[in-house]
Amino acid sequence: AQRVTQPEKLLSVFKGAPVELKCNYSYSGSPELFWYVQYSRQRLQLLLRHISRESIKGFTADLNKGETSFHLKKPFAQEEDSAMYYCALSVYNQGGKLIFGQGTELSVKP
Amino acid sequence: DTAVSQTPKYLVTQMGNDKSIKCEQNLGHDTMYWYKQDSKKFLKIMFSYNNKELIINETVPNRFSPKSPDKAHLNLHINSLELGDSAVYFCASSQGYRGGEQYFGPGTRLTVT
Repeated sequence: AQRVTQPEKLLSVFKGAPVELKCNYSYSGSPELFWYVQYSRQRLQLLLRHISRESIKGFTADLNKGETSFHLKKPFAQEEDSAMYYCALSVYNQGGKLIFGQGTELSVKP
Repeated sequence: DTAVSQTPKYLVTQMGNDKSIKCEQNLGHDTMYWYKQDSKKFLKIMFSYNNKELIINETVPNRFSPKSPDKAHLNLHINSLELGDSAVYFCASSQGYRGGEQYFGPGTRLTVT
């Protein structure tokens, strides 16, 4: 079964601390994974996709097929990073649907 | 020049009513989606349309009927609204339906009383 798991509902850190938002997936094929971010009451925006291997707003994410993980990391959290983060799996040949994890709310305290 | 727009932004209505949410995208994409975000902020696909044709119906009750008059529009009509329909509904679009980035609308917050 295709599934995305984000084990932490809420992650609270202080400004300047490192952040790691965990994401594990279950998928038999070759996964296409994304991180989307939703700032308070705003639309979802793409933050990262694994095939681009780039860093956006200081965030990086590496696909680890052995551990079926796609954790999101940032070395020094900023207050403006506070938001809801969703890990998502794109399922090939199923109409393009995204399967989302439960979301992790990141709270960065001053 | 908003990429994906939805109307209305807020919708408050009573149980049993029928309501519609409209979505438009100006990105030239050929695939559009509806997602539901529940009170626990969990997001789930409802429908996917490619070139005006339905390609995903994710076991959504028959009371929900999407309609795509053209590639740039995907509307959602809901009959006989129930309390459990209260949620935020997001429209999204993408180029093709074999993966890739999806662009989301601002959401419509539906409250059924």
